[in-house]
Amino acid sequence: AQSVTQPDIHITVSEGASLELRCNYSYGATPYLFWYVQSPGQGLQLLLKYFSGDTLVQGIKGFEAEFKRSQSSFNLRKPSVHWSDAAEYFCAVVAGNYGQNFVFGPGTRLSVLP
Amino acid sequence: NAGVTQTPKFQVLKTGQSMTLQCAQDMNHNSMYWYRQDPGMGLRLIYYSASEGTTDKGEVPNGYNVSRLNKREFSLRLESAAPSQTSVYFCASSQEEGQPQHFGDGTRLSIL
Repeated sequence: AQSVTQPDIHITVSEGASLELRCNYSYGATPYLFWYVQSPGQGLQLLLKYFSGDTLVQGIKGFEAEFKRSQSSFNLRKPSVHWSDAAEYFCAVVAGNYGQNFVFGPGTRLSVLP
Repeated sequence: NAGVTQTPKFQVLKTGQSMTLQCAQDMNHNSMYWYRQDPGMGLRLIYYSASEGTTDKGEVPNGYNVSRLNKREFSLRLESAAPSQTSVYFCASSQEEGQPQHFGDGTRLSIL
């Protein structure tokens, strides 16, 4: 079965600094990969997804992620963080096209210092 | 555009009580999902419905039942609430099966 790990529980960055959130997955074939953001008290919002093709994926809110098969990673990046980016970020993987095979990572909480 | 609407937003129950969480989407999506979110565990799938008239168990279905009433609505029922079911519950929908895209704002459920 597939699994997702997010090694960092909590990350703090200064506003304007660059950001990289790590995500590693375990799955035999190339999975579909996703990043979501959850602001306090709200539901999740899809930032971006990777199915195939170009390994660098652009998303909303200035985020991008890069799929690296050799490292089983799908890290999320943003060149300059804004205070409004403070939130919880979830990586997810799906193997096949069935809801029960969609697995979320435990999440990384991002704090932004002014 | 309402998207995915969940009711209620907050609820406190006593052990053994029953209740139904409601979810409705206005995007004409085929697939709908119920997740629970607990600290440090991400989201875990309770049940999902790939299309109207079908439902399937997810990772943590015990203690829950669901009904896909029509294409818009997907309800989650706790028949006899237990303290272990204290959680935040999210409903989601998507056009593509198995890839939740739009989430509601959640129902915060406490069971005493």
